[in-house]
Amino acid sequence: QKEVEQDPGPLSVPEGAIVSLNCTYSNSAFQYFMWYRQYSRKGPELLMYTYSSGNKEDGRFTAQVDKSSKYISLFIRDSQPSDSATYLCAIGTNAGKSTFGDGTTLTVKP
Amino acid sequence: NAGVMQNPRHLVRRRGQEARLRCSPMKGHSHVYWYRQLPEEGLKFMVYLQKENIIDESGMPKERFSAEFPKEGPSILRIQQVVRGDSAAYFCASSPVAGANNEQFFGPGTRLTVL
Repeated sequence: QKEVEQDPGPLSVPEGAIVSLNCTYSNSAFQYFMWYRQYSRKGPELLMYTYSSGNKEDGRFTAQVDKSSKYISLFIRDSQPSDSATYLCAIGTNAGKSTFGDGTTLTVKP
Repeated sequence: NAGVMQNPRHLVRRRGQEARLRCSPMKGHSHVYWYRQLPEEGLKFMVYLQKENIIDESGMPKERFSAEFPKEGPSILRIQQVVRGDSAAYFCASSPVAGANNEQFFGPGTRLTVL
């Protein structure tokens, strides 16, 4: 079993839709939760970073963490064609390294 | 403030040659991480370094791969006697500290192709 499982997608939505991206993890030692966006043939770009259960909002993006269920989500409101990318969840510990999900490819159609 | 720099962006090697990938972390960052991404897959951790020290190399193959982060200069990921299976995108990330602040910022990657 992988330490981090991400809903595989791909996901295709119309412009303006609400998008939900999800990951589960197995190791309760994980303390830090990140979401990255990766455009084709580019490096991952950090979108959201949190270390506590609950919601964290930044513009159209909301990261949600439920440590009791070992479940994290990223919500994108009013999705735009420019949001079309692969989204990666990543989870870390004090040890430094991050463990990534395999990514969900999102396409937002105009 | 420049981001994480990686070079070369693209590298082509023939089987048996050596590949050297370079990473300059963001200014003020002293922690460097290397990840490998195969096509259609997520990033797999390889090695975590601080200046002059390897902290965690649990994700790096025991043979042919090595990494360093000298006191001066960039971090280097070295692959000796490359094989076709080494073809991938190699990403470097840096962070100011580990532990309490685990935000890692990524470079644009080096795409290695082994012929």
